[in-house]
Amino acid sequence: AQTVTQSQPEMSVQEAETVTLSCTYDTSENNYYLFWYKQPPSRQMILVIRQEAYKQQNATENRFSVNFQKAAKSFSLKISDSQLGDTAMYFCAFMKNFGNEKLTFGTGTRLTIIP
Amino acid sequence: NAGVTQTPKFRVLKTGQSMTLLCAQDMNHEYMYWYRQDPGMGLRLIHYSVGEGTTAKGEVPDGYNVSRLKKQNFLLGLESAAPSQTSVYFCASSTYGGGGGTEAFFGQGTRLTVV
Repeated sequence: AQTVTQSQPEMSVQEAETVTLSCTYDTSENNYYLFWYKQPPSRQMILVIRQEAYKQQNATENRFSVNFQKAAKSFSLKISDSQLGDTAMYFCAFMKNFGNEKLTFGTGTRLTIIP
Repeated sequence: NAGVTQTPKFRVLKTGQSMTLLCAQDMNHEYMYWYRQDPGMGLRLIHYSVGEGTTAKGEVPDGYNVSRLKKQNFLLGLESAAPSQTSVYFCASSTYGGGGGTEAFFGQGTRLTVV
């Protein structure tokens, strides 16, 4: 079974600064996918970024980028030039290849952007 | 485009009562899921379906039943509600990605309180 650990329950950062959210996972699989989902106060789950384990290049989506360290089983999310709209709960998630697209989530990090 | 729609959005039940949560998706997705979200525990998979007429247990299936009679609908039933089932319930759907990695689309959640 896979486990996903997010060790930072809460974080806060000043607007326009950069913040990094940590995620580690445990799996015996070699092929898998990792995701970061954002949950703003509206409760809607929104995909932020996705990483395929067999790709060495770190995924990037505008201000969001990841640092994927496969050997260390680490998958951190960096948010650059943070904005007030980035205030949300962030969940790291794991998906096994050929695993019926099921997601295993971490416990989340509540991020607050301070004006 | 409605995406994934959950009904109802809020509900209060008395212990022992039964209810059904309805999830409908209009994206012709093969896979559908029910997750529950509890504080400090992230999202946990209750049941899922890989196609019309199929269901399977997830991580926390006890006390719940599901049915997928139509491809677009996935029902979650509580036969005898217990206070431990107080939670926010999320439905999600995704398409078959040929092995994995496809984005899951989530409904807006149902906040259920059992008193």
